[in-house]
Amino acid sequence: DTGVSQNPRHKITKRGQNVTFRCDPISEHNRLYWYRQTLGQGPEFLTYFQNEAQLEKSRLLSDRFSAERPKGSFSTLEIQRTEQGDSAMYLCASSLSGGGYGYTFGSGTRLTVV
Amino acid sequence: TQLLEQSPQFLSIQEGENLTVYCNSSSVFSSLQWYRQEPGEGPVLLVTVVTGGEVKKLKRLTFQFGDARKDSSLHITAAQPGDTGLYLCAGAVLIQGAQKLVFGQGTRLTINP
Repeated sequence: DTGVSQNPRHKITKRGQNVTFRCDPISEHNRLYWYRQTLGQGPEFLTYFQNEAQLEKSRLLSDRFSAERPKGSFSTLEIQRTEQGDSAMYLCASSLSGGGYGYTFGSGTRLTVV
Repeated sequence: TQLLEQSPQFLSIQEGENLTVYCNSSSVFSSLQWYRQEPGEGPVLLVTVVTGGEVKKLKRLTFQFGDARKDSSLHITAAQPGDTGLYLCAGAVLIQGAQKLVFGQGTRLTINP
């Protein structure tokens, strides 16, 4: 297993366009998390999945954001009608069930909205 | 809303010096984790502390969880340039039986040769 994989690594898009990011977690991990990180800040929670079920969404996740995890494997995060304020690093992480387990993060997708 | 405050936010010291980074909250966490992040990469887990008062060592790094499980510290002995990076603490809160991590804003550490 090569860890958590995120694609693309970088995305530059024009304001108003839709973008989709993909995350492939560690295969044994049934939990998958999306975070957003802006420059100089720690990661902010967006949403998480237990298998294919989306169990929580942050208030940061406006109706322009949607995430899916079909069949409990990979996950996608889509942002519709992008705004300049969406520019950030989008991080995906996965973990095992149970308390005390650390997250394994991917390298992130750097989104720049111009 | 859980809030983790890290201090200092920036620290630049000379190789060989010792340093301590603090992570404080008014909330109690079921566990607390420390991560290190390099530019353009995701955070990498360093340690998880679970029990109040717990101390864990990772080579020259010593991590301590406060007795009340509201705060933590990271102490680095004889810092080296390879320790340079963004250090993040993250507290675990339970949501529907699953933990969610809430991160501090990070401490950017620079070790000068």
